[in-house]
This record gives sequence, C-alpha cells and structure tokens, in this order.
Amino acid sequence: GAVVSQHPSWVICKSGTSVKIECRSLDFQATTMFWYRQFPKQSLMLMATSNEGSKATYEQGVEKDKFLINHASLTLSTLTVTSAHPEDSSFYICSAQGQAPETQYFGPGTRLLVL
Amino acid sequence: QKEVEQNSGPLSVPEGAIASLNCTYSDRGSQSFFWYRQYSGKSPELIMFIYSNGDKEDGRFTAQLNKASQYVSLLIRDSQPSDSATYLCAVRDDKIIFGKGTRLHILP
Repeated sequence: GAVVSQHPSWVICKSGTSVKIECRSLDFQATTMFWYRQFPKQSLMLMATSNEGSKATYEQGVEKDKFLINHASLTLSTLTVTSAHPEDSSFYICSAQGQAPETQYFGPGTRLLVL
Repeated sequence: QKEVEQNSGPLSVPEGAIASLNCTYSDRGSQSFFWYRQYSGKSPELIMFIYSNGDKEDGRFTAQLNKASQYVSLLIRDSQPSDSATYLCAVRDDKIIFGKGTRLHILP
C-alpha cells in the first residue's frame, strides 16, 4: 500500500515552455500533497503544500505564478512549471500524506532539464 | 522555528558492523518520528516510524526514541553496501519537518 506515482519521470524542454508534472496516490486518498525540489547533492526543499479543493500554500521564496499547483481530487495533484528556464532544471518530487502512519509517501520524482 | 538536526556525514562504517544514525529535534511537542532512506538520484522511501519512547525493531533496523532528550536514532545491524544512502530523519507535530540527512557509506 501507500504507492505514489509521478509522470513523467523525465522531461527535457526548451527554455520558455511550460511543463506539467502529475502526482497520483494510487491506493489511498490524500487530502494533502507536497511538492519538493532537490538540486544535486543538496537536501529536499519544500516548495508548496497542496490541499484538495483549495489553493496551495507556498514556501517563502517560491513564486506561485511560476509554479502552478492544482489539487483537483483526492488522488491527483499537478505542478506546472511555467516559462521554464535552465535554472529550473532540477529533480521535482511529490509526496502524499497517508493516514496510518500519518506520514508522507514519496513519488519516484521527475527530472526536469530545461535547455 | 522548529528544527530537525542531523550530522551531514559522510559516516563510514565497515560492512557487517552497526551503523548508528542520530537526529535531534527542537519541538518538545512532536509526536511522531520517521526515518527515510534516499539513494542517490532517487526519491526518499519510508523505512521506519516510531511514536513511543524506547526501541522499535524491524529486521536489521532499530529506531530508538528518547523524548526527554529530544533524540531519535536509527541503528542498522550487519551493515551491507546496499545500505549506503542518505538517511533522512523526519518529525511530525502539526506538520512533518525533515532533517537535511546523513550520508552513510558502508565500506566493503
């Protein structure tokens, strides 16, 4: 149980394009999902907390107009990186909050490379 | 500000020995404690959780919690090269806060 999927696992795009990443909880309902970013050899950085049916809460320094988050159902949250630039190249990881235990289960991550 | 502190390492342990990973937290009201393992280039995976003071064992892993000292540890017995990874400590009060992780290297 507690499986979280992400799609796509890899994406390469040109600078200026938008990229959408999907995060799904496959066998449980998640009212809360989280989006992280991780640069090479650095720790996880929480970008935003996403609650089903409401606006996401962004961490300080994260541009909400650049990183659009939608949590339309109890099993799906999406992150859209708008007008991506090379500095947005990173490993994006979502997690979904389970119930027992009430912890976070991570998706496999999406590697984004912006050329 | 609530904090979770871990030594960044790397911690080098010979194969077959016990690896001991430590974590301290600042919020005395924290209720739940978790250990995640993250292999290089992969996302974190949950390996253990503990709620009560004392030890909790799961295979080669033992989590130890001391709420009075605000300290949680993870012991890995009979360390294997496949245990080489970054171990993240996480603490939950009203939300889950992650430490920055300790890099563990098991020497063959």
